[in-house]
Amino acid sequence: DIVMTQSPDSLAVSLGERATINCKSSQTVLYSSNNKNYLGWYQQKPGQPPKLLIYWASTRESGVPDRFSGSGSGTDFTLTISSLQAEDVAVYYCQQYYNTPFSFGPGTKVDIK
Amino acid sequence: QVQLPQWGAGLLKPSETLSLTCAVYGGSFSDYYWSWIRQPPGKGLEWIGEINYSGNTNYNPSLKSRLTISVDTSKNQFSLRLNSVTAADTAMYYCARVRVALIEGARYGFDVWGQGTMVTVSS
Repeated sequence: DIVMTQSPDSLAVSLGERATINCKSSQTVLYSSNNKNYLGWYQQKPGQPPKLLIYWASTRESGVPDRFSGSGSGTDFTLTISSLQAEDVAVYYCQQYYNTPFSFGPGTKVDIK
Repeated sequence: QVQLPQWGAGLLKPSETLSLTCAVYGGSFSDYYWSWIRQPPGKGLEWIGEINYSGNTNYNPSLKSRLTISVDTSKNQFSLRLNSVTAADTAMYYCARVRVALIEGARYGFDVWGQGTMVTVSS
């Protein structure tokens, strides 16, 4: 099974500043035949189900603000919020869909400093 | 707009069977996989399993011995049954739509979610 880890566990960022979340998989999630990373990012606000932000590691979901971006390849990935807004306070999860069982990282809580 | 209302019993005793159903309204049922995901209170997300229109399933090995996911294509619904529940199965249970890449057949994200059903197992 692929184990996903995230760092930090939590972070507090001033409004308008950059937030960076790291995600690491225990084995590659890069599928060599199509050169795609089978990695997604989700945002979960209290009392709500998760929301898909990013898929294929760097493709933004329709309607997601462009301050959210994903990068990385292989086993190391990053979600960046370029200019934190109040509505971005949430827990963020990475998730691999390279193989089953699909697995999520433990989450990173983002707050306002 | 696709909606996934879900329902089922929210309070169970140990050893009972958890049963949840999720309906698919407003979109294609046959072009996607359909998953169940759970989240214990204050904790992270655990993928339970998935099913497609044809009834093909994939289960999390950690739950496989107790798990059945089924589909009713006549109603555009899919269901979860988890046998012999314990307190460790207490969680918010979500149904979700799974995108499928047309060429590769790869699943690539849970893009629509149900509202969640809180299931508590307690004697």
